[in-house]
Order: sequence, then structure tokens, then C-alpha cells
Amino acid sequence: QLQLQESGPGLVKTSETLSLTCTVSGGSISSSTYYWGWIRQPPGKGLEWIGNIYYSGSTYYNPSLKSRITLSVDTSKDQFSLKLSSVTAADTAVYYCARAAVRYFDFWGQGALVAVSS
Amino acid sequence: AIQLTQSPSSLSASVGDRVTITCRASQAIRSTLAWYQQKPGKTPQLLIYDASTLESGVPSRFSGSGSGTDFTLTISSLQPEDFATYYCQQFNSYPLFTFGPGTKVDIK
Repeated sequence: QLQLQESGPGLVKTSETLSLTCTVSGGSISSSTYYWGWIRQPPGKGLEWIGNIYYSGSTYYNPSLKSRITLSVDTSKDQFSLKLSSVTAADTAVYYCARAAVRYFDFWGQGALVAVSS
Repeated sequence: AIQLTQSPSSLSASVGDRVTITCRASQAIRSTLAWYQQKPGKTPQLLIYDASTLESGVPSRFSGSGSGTDFTLTISSLQPEDFATYYCQQFNSYPLFTFGPGTKVDIK
């Protein structure tokens, strides 16, 4: 059974860079069928798509966050990562990694809460 | 960019009720819409994709319809485990995605 697990610091200081890694198990990140994505959810609010990455390294970003996002993939470790720069309190959220079956997200990680504080 | 709106933003219903949630796109998106269910403190779960295709394992009381700009998610007979927040998501502008703001279904 496919599993995704987010990992990274739970607290980031204002203006610094948030970094999270998603480890995929029970399947290969190098499958040509899927993209791998990040979605976030501020406390008490809705879902916001951050971006997707293909195993080849092709990336697709939410235009509203594009200037601050970097996605990367490490196929040797079945991991993909998110970096979000210049964070503010508005970036406090649960960050989910997920598998995108091209058009929709069919497997999700449990989510990682990241708080931004000065 | 394609925007999604959902109505109502919240609703109260009783077990056994028929519940309908609407998702409207700011421009035509064919049938490129998915629905997710999220229970409090839990991960979103895919319910329906391509507007009307039920994801494997999802109870048949859930159904989706629509195309173009107007879509609906219907729960034919609300069960206790269905109290949750429901989100629509479009992929017409693939590889860019958008989620709707959500509809919270709680107990009357």
C-alpha cells in the first residue's frame, strides 16, 4: 500500500525558508503515471494547492506562490521536497504531500503542521 | 485563473437526509472536477473524479454530476460518518490545480 510521509521542522522563523520532505513508500516515485504534489491548509481554513513535480524534475507552481517556491525530487531516495522562502505568519499551515494521478490527488500524507513565528 | 465557488458554505442536516452541494467554476471546465471529503483532523479523501466517477471504495450514496461551470455532489442518505467538509477541485487548467473553499456539513 502506498504511503507518503512528510518530515521537517515544525517551527520556522519569520523571513526564513520552510523546508519539508515527503518520503514515498510502497511504490516508486519514478512512475511515469504520476505527479507528486504539495497542498497546504491554514488552521481552520480550506485547501490551497502549492505545486506539483514530476519524477523527471518538471515543476508546476501555484502562480500566487511561484516566486517563493522550489520543488525538487530525489528518485534514489523516493523523496520529493518543498522549500518556501520568506515565510510569514500567513504561511502557518498543515502541509500535505500527495500523489497526483494526473488530474486529482488519490493518496495523501498525514500532513505536517508548520508554524511561523518570530 | 479559474476560480471555484461552493454553496452553501455550510449546512446542517439530519441522518437520512438527501444533501446537495454545488461547485461553480468561473469558466467552463468540461468535466474536469473532483470532490474530496475531509473529516476534522484527518486527511482529505478523494470521493469523485471526472465530475461523476466514484473512486474505488466510496459508498454509492455519493454521486456527482455536472459539466461546464456547474457541478453537484449529492449524498442520497446522509450517514453519521458523512459529517465532514467537502471540497471540489478543478484540473481543467492542468497541470495547475484549484480547490474550492469547502462546504461544511454538520449535524442538525
